[in-house]
Amino acid sequence: QQQVKQSPQSLIVQKGGISIINCAYENTAFDYFPWYQQFPGKGPALLIAIRPDVSEKKEGRFTISFNKSAKQFSLHIMDSQPGDSATYFCAASMSRNTGNQFYFGTGTSLTVIP
Amino acid sequence: DTGVSQDPRHKITKRGQNVTFRCDPISEHNRLYWYRQTLGQGPEFLTYFQNEAQLEKSRLLSDRFSAERPKGSFSTLEIQRTEQGDSAMYLCASSLIRAGETQYFGPGTRLLVL
Repeated sequence: QQQVKQSPQSLIVQKGGISIINCAYENTAFDYFPWYQQFPGKGPALLIAIRPDVSEKKEGRFTISFNKSAKQFSLHIMDSQPGDSATYFCAASMSRNTGNQFYFGTGTSLTVIP
Repeated sequence: DTGVSQDPRHKITKRGQNVTFRCDPISEHNRLYWYRQTLGQGPEFLTYFQNEAQLEKSRLLSDRFSAERPKGSFSTLEIQRTEQGDSAMYLCASSLIRAGETQYFGPGTRLLVL
């Protein structure tokens, strides 16, 4: 059972446009929501993360929007650049779980066209 | 480089052979995680250590898999009697012990079982 559902599977955006990736979860015990960026042949790298006590977090061109009541969160990439072309994964974890294991979405392959 | 390192980066083996992977976490990180990632999917949790103790194992971790972290520093993941279904990227991550602390991933070991 997929704990975190991610969409779309793939996304093509023009340079300078906005890329939006959505994730949804069911387990209300989740309290930490990171986004990872992964390039081919590399491990995932942390991009930005949010906790449910805030509805939005912005770091540079990257913004997470969090809707606790809808159990959804999304990543917005403003002014998308060709160098942003990668696979993006959302994830969730629960701090009361002593292992703090991450549950990942299935990923979104982003292509930014010059 | 103070990030998570993994060795080897690539491994090709024949079905039935044993393989061992190594992970060196970020030096001050107490927690170490192993994940498996297949093509087009997000990483799936396998097991984790807090210092030298293995505290949780996923149902994905069959009895052919064993992991160790003998001195609370580096970790090894061994797969015995490899099967073609074991072909995947094996990722290691580390984190501090605080609840909800983010995980930092290594570059992964890509395993191909022929």
